[in-house]
Amino acid sequence: DAGVTQSPTHLIKTRGQQVTLRCSPKSGHDTVSWYQQALGQGPQFIFQYYEEEERQRGNFPDRFSGHQFPNYSSELNVNALLLGDSALYLCASSLGLAGSPDTQYFGPGTRLTVL
Amino acid sequence: QQPVQSPQAVILREGEDAVINCSSSKALYSVHWYRQKHGEAPVFLMILLKGGEQKGHEKISASFNEKKQQSSLYLTASQLSYSGTYFCGTATSGTYKYIFGTGTRLKVLA
Repeated sequence: DAGVTQSPTHLIKTRGQQVTLRCSPKSGHDTVSWYQQALGQGPQFIFQYYEEEERQRGNFPDRFSGHQFPNYSSELNVNALLLGDSALYLCASSLGLAGSPDTQYFGPGTRLTVL
Repeated sequence: QQPVQSPQAVILREGEDAVINCSSSKALYSVHWYRQKHGEAPVFLMILLKGGEQKGHEKISASFNEKKQQSSLYLTASQLSYSGTYFCGTATSGTYKYIFGTGTRLKVLA
């Protein structure tokens, strides 16, 4: 049973560029959440996708956008990269039962470095 | 508002017990606990739901005090593999957004 997978593992970009990160959820899961984790900090919620729609969003600017595909995989896009966007980006999958917070399983993350 | 965890850091000898607390200023619906090792993704340990339902592992247990909006994680007979940073992730009713706590760094020595 494949767990949550993310690609790429590492990425180096320069300020102003755009980046796309990818996530495949755990088998049987239909919900994907994205988190940003700066060094030494806890994960910060970016947004969650369920049934191909953004269901909830954290306090992140519109430069951060996403998409969920019919197979439940997801992409995180970040435009106009800033130095402060350097972080570990984590994807977590779960079952999106309404009103029932379920266990989130995290992928290995993508380490983004902005120069 | 980010949940506050205490202690910030703790050092144990193998076999010793530890308690990690997570306090929120908001009324919580659920609390998740995770352990993260350096350079790795957080690993799920435990979920606690409002109403007292608890899930988890044998030597790791947790409680959820709804009146105080506080959760505690209990690690018994610690092993070297318990070392890492522990985070609580909290959610309020009607939201799908998890807010992670400040983290507790735990190190177990042989």
